[in-house]
Amino acid sequence: ELKVEQNPLFLSMQEGKNYTIYCNYSTTSDRLYWYRQDPGKSLESLFVLLSNGAVKQEGRLMASLDTKARLSTLHITAAVHDLSATYFCALVVLSGAGSYQLTFGKGTKLSVIP
Amino acid sequence: EAGVTQFPSHSVIEKGQTVTLRCDPISGHDNLYWYRRVMGKEIKFLLHFVKESKQDESGMPNNRFLAERTGGTYSTLKVQPAELEDSGVYFCASSPASFPYEQYFGPGTRLTVT
Repeated sequence: ELKVEQNPLFLSMQEGKNYTIYCNYSTTSDRLYWYRQDPGKSLESLFVLLSNGAVKQEGRLMASLDTKARLSTLHITAAVHDLSATYFCALVVLSGAGSYQLTFGKGTKLSVIP
Repeated sequence: EAGVTQFPSHSVIEKGQTVTLRCDPISGHDNLYWYRRVMGKEIKFLLHFVKESKQDESGMPNNRFLAERTGGTYSTLKVQPAELEDSGVYFCASSPASFPYEQYFGPGTRLTVT
């Protein structure tokens, strides 16, 4: 059974600081997603990472994937208040019934303090 | 283009009552997924429809949960009778086809069973 461990689960950081969220997983997967969720809103896809060494950047967020270490990171550079949200990593898994489903980490609740 | 919509946004019911959650996928999306997040836990897969057929219902917790997708359009998830442990946020997602297409999520229905 695929396990996805995300840490930290809670992160309080000051504006302007850098930090990294980690996502470890237990078995291979064809792709990894990072999602953002604001309270009461949908999960918004931020990045999809397909292969070893993949790096994607959007604004102050950068995601990377190391399939050998089974690790993905989401790096936040010079945090601003607008980045406050819950961030999830999720892997695509093929179930025994032939369905491609997402397996999620527990999420990291990020609070950026002015 | 309208996104995935879910109704209601919140539902508070007493133990033993019945609740029906509704999901309207993005128009033209044949694949529809239900997920659930119990407080403090991961978002977990419940089931996957392809059009009106259940492709995979391996994540359904027990037979108190019944999902339908009449005509391959909207879907309902009925919980009968509800138990305290059913409380959580129920997410619906849709995609045009299965892998490798991205799943687009709705805002979720927060269910509280008292």
